[in-house]
Amino acid sequence: AQKVTQAQTEISVVEKEDVTLDCVYETRDTTYYLFWYKQPPSGELVFLIRRNSFDEQNEISGRYSWNFQKSTSSFNFTITASQVVDSAVYFCALSDLYNFNKFYFGSGTKLNVKP
Amino acid sequence: DTEVTQTPKHLVMGMTNKKSLKCEQHMGHRAMYWYKQKAKKPPELMFVYSYEKLSINESVPSRFSPECPNSSLLNLHLHALQPEDSALYLCASSQERTTEAFFGQGTRLTVV
Repeated sequence: AQKVTQAQTEISVVEKEDVTLDCVYETRDTTYYLFWYKQPPSGELVFLIRRNSFDEQNEISGRYSWNFQKSTSSFNFTITASQVVDSAVYFCALSDLYNFNKFYFGSGTKLNVKP
Repeated sequence: DTEVTQTPKHLVMGMTNKKSLKCEQHMGHRAMYWYKQKAKKPPELMFVYSYEKLSINESVPSRFSPECPNSSLLNLHLHALQPEDSALYLCASSQERTTEAFFGQGTRLTVV
């Protein structure tokens, strides 16, 4: 069965601190996709990144970086020099080759960045 | 233009009312979704349309009725809802086999 676990329910940091959001997944499939979405208070889920199971390269986009490790079934997300605008709920999600239209979401991590 | 537009943004309806939620995308995506999200919970999949055909129904009660009139539009018809159906309803779309989905801002539904 597909499962995504985000053990951190809520994290609070002070602006300019670095913060890592953890994501651990379970799947029996060899081909799968992992995602991170940001949900600000306005409600819209904003797509941040997709990674497929064959691409273990870490990725950096500005202050955001992602660490994908198949050996530990983790896909962690780091925000460097956090800003107040980063305050949101962040969801990690998984989809597989056979149900690629179905996203399995983690429970989300609420990030509070204080000035 | 990576935009999914949902209307209305807010809706209050009585338990005997009939209303519809609308969703539109012009990205040429062939998969469209309805999700329901309760406060402090992740989105829960309700329906998926693929090439305008219903491909996934996650055992949603019949008081929710989806419709996909064409490849750009997705509706969710609501009838005889219960107060526990109050939630944020999110529409999304994606390319087939590309898999990242783009979400609208949602409709905040309150059933009274």
